[in-house]
Amino acid sequence: QKEVEQDPGPLSVPEGAIVSLNCTYSNSAFQYFMWYRQYSRKGPELLMYTYSSGNKEDGRFTAQVDKSSKYISLFIRDSQPSDSATYLCAAVYGQNFVFGPGTRLSVLP
Amino acid sequence: EAEVAQSPRYKITEKSQAVAFWCDPISGHATLYWYRQILGQGPELLVQFQDESVVDDSQLPKDRFSAERLKGVDSTLKIQPAELGDSAMYLCASSSLGGQVAETQYFGPGTRLLVL
Repeated sequence: QKEVEQDPGPLSVPEGAIVSLNCTYSNSAFQYFMWYRQYSRKGPELLMYTYSSGNKEDGRFTAQVDKSSKYISLFIRDSQPSDSATYLCAAVYGQNFVFGPGTRLSVLP
Repeated sequence: EAEVAQSPRYKITEKSQAVAFWCDPISGHATLYWYRQILGQGPELLVQFQDESVVDDSQLPKDRFSAERLKGVDSTLKIQPAELGDSAMYLCASSSLGGQVAETQYFGPGTRLLVL
């Protein structure tokens, strides 16, 4: 079992939809969590990071962490075609970053 | 805005040849990471440096891969000899260190390697 699991998709939604992307993790030592967006043939870019259980909002993006169930979510409101990319979750302990395999999202106009 | 620089962006080589990738992290970032990302998968750590010292190279295939960060700034990752299975995106990332916990990690654009 990998330490960070993520549904690889692909996930296709119509423009304007609310998107829910999810990860689960197995190691209780993870201290904080990040979401990265990766466009095709590009390096990942940081979207959001969060240290504790609860929600963190940034514009159309909301990151949610539930440490009791080891569950991480990213919500995208009013999704746009420009949101079409692969979304990677990452869990961190100390200086160690562990990435999920990514979920490929397509937002259709 | 400061960025992680990588070169080359693309590299095509024949198997058994040597290849080298270069990374310049964000200024002031003590920690540097090299990852390999196979298409459809998440990045997998190859080697991690803290300043000029290797912190973790447990997943680096040491028979053919080597990495160095001589002055604790830029870094080079080398593969010799390259094999067909090495075709992937090689990503460099850097982070500052806040106490014992790494701060946010920033990625470069990657080097896409194709071994023929």
